[in-house]
Amino acid sequence: EVQLVESGGGLVQPGGSLRLSCAASGFTFSTYWIHWVRQPPGKGLEWVSIINTDGSVTRYVDSVKGRFTISRDNAKNTLYLQMDSLRAEDTAVYYCARDTQMTADPWGQGTLVTVSS
Amino acid sequence: QSALTQPRSVSGSPGQSVTISCTGTSSDVGTYNYVSWYQQHPGKAPKVMIYDVTKRPSGVPDRFSGSKSGNTASLTISGLQAEDEADYYCCSYTGSGTWVFGGGTKLTVL
Repeated sequence: EVQLVESGGGLVQPGGSLRLSCAASGFTFSTYWIHWVRQPPGKGLEWVSIINTDGSVTRYVDSVKGRFTISRDNAKNTLYLQMDSLRAEDTAVYYCARDTQMTADPWGQGTLVTVSS
Repeated sequence: QSALTQPRSVSGSPGQSVTISCTGTSSDVGTYNYVSWYQQHPGKAPKVMIYDVTKRPSGVPDRFSGSKSGNTASLTISGLQAEDEADYYCCSYTGSGTWVFGGGTKLTVL
């Protein structure tokens, strides 16, 4: 069974940092691009970032450029999102999702990040 | 990277059909046939219902269909059932390796 499990969320103060992880299983992780998508409480989905199979290509939504860094460790079947200079507006559930034929499928269950003092 | 435009809510009675629109621009929906639709029930992760504008993943009922005309994509759900009540999001590739979601539509089954 294809599975993605996010972890690392929590409460962090504005200006702080957090690293999210996404552990993959049930498929050949190293052959897929992977997305990060977030959802503020009670609001809609926002695409955040994507990384290619070997980590050499990354893309970000403008609002996180220069603050967030996506990376992966194919030996550990794990995706990361390093989030620095966090702001209140970064508060959201963060999902990782496999890119399957230019579609985010499947998704993990999400991890909640709360930025507050 | 402006969000795609969806109606905030739609509704229909069991057995009826509803259509949710998703309007983008010539830089995303209008150029690329990489439009997907996601269903999200409260507290759950999104699930893809349509990809590549019109394709349905295995396991998704054929009551769900997708289409596109110009800069607007649409999701049609026919034969509405109670379990279809959820939030629906469209998503499009924008070029340059980025994606954009719509604001979401709440479907109420009356």
